[in-house]
Amino acid sequence: SQQGEEDPQALSIQEGENATMNCSYKTSINNLQWYRQNSGRGLVHLILIRSNEREKHSGRLRVTLDTSKKSSSLLITASRAADTASYFCATDGRYGGSQGNLIFGKGTKLSVKP
Amino acid sequence: SAVISQKPSRDICQRGTSLTIQCQVDSQVTMMFWYRQQPGQSLTLIATANQGSEATYESGFVIDKFPISRPNLTFSTLTVSNMSPEDSSIYLCSVEEGQGAIYGYTFGSGTRLTVV
Repeated sequence: SQQGEEDPQALSIQEGENATMNCSYKTSINNLQWYRQNSGRGLVHLILIRSNEREKHSGRLRVTLDTSKKSSSLLITASRAADTASYFCATDGRYGGSQGNLIFGKGTKLSVKP
Repeated sequence: SAVISQKPSRDICQRGTSLTIQCQVDSQVTMMFWYRQQPGQSLTLIATANQGSEATYESGFVIDKFPISRPNLTFSTLTVSNMSPEDSSIYLCSVEEGQGAIYGYTFGSGTRLTVV
C-alpha cells in the first residue's frame, strides 16, 4: 500500500528560523495533506494540496507537491516555539482502493527552541 | 468544520479487561474512521465505520478484538477487547469533511490507553 515517508525524522531549530519537512509517497494520489500533532494528542489538519496543484500557502505554511517525483514539502517560515510538534503527511487512500481513509507517513518531530 | 468529542481522553486499564471509546460528532457524517497510534509511531487505520452496516477492518485488525458500533450518523464506539500491554496506544476517530478531496479530515482529540 502507498505510504508517505517524511524526512527528516527529527528536526531541531531556533525560533525565527524556517523549517522544511519532506514527504514521499509511492502511488498515484488524489490529494496530499499535512497534519500537526502536539504531544501525542489529536491531529490538526493544516493544509491540503490536490494532485493538480503545485504549491499552496496558508499563513506561515507553504506546501509544494511534485507528482512526478511523488514528493511534497512543508515549509514553516519564521518558526515559533509553539510550532513544536510532530508533523505528518497523509495521502488519500481512494486511488489505492481504500474507502477514502488516510494513509499516514511516519512523521517529523519538530522542536523549535526559544 | 465538524467538531468531534472523543472520550475518555485517557485511561489506565488492567490486562484482560475491555475499554469502549466513544466519538460524538456535531454533524451527520457518512463514514467514520478509527486509527491507532502506537508509542512513537504514525497512525494506522483500524477500520471504517458506516452507519447501518458492519465496519470494514484493515489487515491485521479483527472484529472480535476491536468491535465497532455505528448506531447513527453522529456517533460511533470502538471497543478494545481483552486488552494486553501491546494495546497501549492512542486511539483516534476521524471524519471526512465535506468531500475529502476538498476539505480534509477532522480528528478527535484521541484516547491515550495504557494497559498494565
